[in-house]
Amino acid sequence: EVQLVQSGAEVKKPGESLRISCKGSGNTFTGNWINWVRQMPGKGLEWMGRVDPSDSYTNYSPSFQGHVNISTDRSITTAYLQWRSLKASDTAIYYCSTTPAIGGAYRSDYWGQGTLVTVSS
Amino acid sequence: QSALTQPASVSGSPGQSITISCTGTSSDVGAYNYVSWYQQHPGKAPKLIIYEVTNRPSGVSNRFSGSKSGNTASLTISGLQADDEADYYCSSYTSISSSVVLFGAGTKLTVL
Repeated sequence: EVQLVQSGAEVKKPGESLRISCKGSGNTFTGNWINWVRQMPGKGLEWMGRVDPSDSYTNYSPSFQGHVNISTDRSITTAYLQWRSLKASDTAIYYCSTTPAIGGAYRSDYWGQGTLVTVSS
Repeated sequence: QSALTQPASVSGSPGQSITISCTGTSSDVGAYNYVSWYQQHPGKAPKLIIYEVTNRPSGVSNRFSGSKSGNTASLTISGLQADDEADYYCSSYTSISSSVVLFGAGTKLTVL
């Protein structure tokens, strides 16, 4: 079964950089896109973007384009979400999820446990 | 880009049925059968319960069902149980911009 294990909670200051990770078990990265989804405190889910591990192709929501970078290292079945300069408004829980690349119908089948990122001075 | 429109809250008594709506546009819900529904309990990750409008993943109770008419998709939960109390989110593929996936704002289900 697919398992996604995310890195632990982070506390950062505004302006700092950060990279969080999402490690997939077994063949998770074969035939699946990896999505990142934001959930701000007490708020709903927002799709940020996704990466296709087979060719590192990425899509971003316009709301997040240019502020985050999504990447993957297929050799260690790990996807990353990275910021160069955090803002207080980046405080949220970030989830990774998988979507079958073929016939996946843009659904998120499996989810990581979430990573809480707190940005505060 | 606007989120899909869901009611903020719905409620029902154990054993009853409830329906949650999800309204989009002709560029997302109305144009594609790529509507999914997720259940999220407090402090937990979302869980897929419906995909491609009407399909249930293996292991999901048949008390959960989905449908679509025009630009509005719906999730129906029959035989409400206490454990159904959670937040529910719809999502859809969108052909506008590079966003690909839109989520609804979420609906809080309270089991009375």
